[in-house]
Amino acid sequence: AQRVTQPEKLLSVFKGAPVELKCNYSYSGSPELFWYVQYSRQRLQLLLRHISRESIKGFTADLNKGETSFHLKKPFAQEEDSAMYYCALRGLGNEKLTFGTGTRLTIIP
Amino acid sequence: GAGVSQSPRYKVAKRGQDVALRCDPISGHVSLFWYQQALGQGPEFLTYFQNEAQLDKSGLPSDRFFAERPEGSVSTLKIQRTQQEDSAVYLCASSQGLAYNEQFFGPGTRLTVL
Repeated sequence: AQRVTQPEKLLSVFKGAPVELKCNYSYSGSPELFWYVQYSRQRLQLLLRHISRESIKGFTADLNKGETSFHLKKPFAQEEDSAMYYCALRGLGNEKLTFGTGTRLTIIP
Repeated sequence: GAGVSQSPRYKVAKRGQDVALRCDPISGHVSLFWYQQALGQGPEFLTYFQNEAQLDKSGLPSDRFFAERPEGSVSTLKIQRTQQEDSAVYLCASSQGLAYNEQFFGPGTRLTVL
């Protein structure tokens, strides 16, 4: 079975401060991990995926297989980062995504 | 270009009514997914199509839920004899269907069962 855990439902950070949204997963094989973001009144959209190893909007995430984690980080928060963030997993040979319960990030001006 | 569209955006049903939710995927996308998102939860997988073939329906919560994609494009999720626990946002997503392709999500249909 595959499972994604996001321990923080809410996270508030001051503008300019570092951000870390936690994500842990459970999967017996080699998963593909994603971060999706949903801004206010917008649809769910892909932020980044671990295989791309990109930095999107200043965010990065590293897959740590030893700790089964895929935490999302940004060194300096911006007000436009306020949104709902979901960590998701896709198993090998599987198309469906398994999502965590999400973290609502609020950036305090 | 047009993204994934869903209709209706909002649906209120009385308990016991049947409802049909429509998804128009991005043109040319082979794969189509339905997810259910209850309040305060993340999206949960319901079912998946590759063209017109329903390859995985393991997430459908009961036999009251039925999905189809007869021509490999538009899909309909039907819920029979709706119950209050069916109240949720129903999300549709599509992808090009190749390995590691991104899923693009629609705006969702918010279903409220009274």
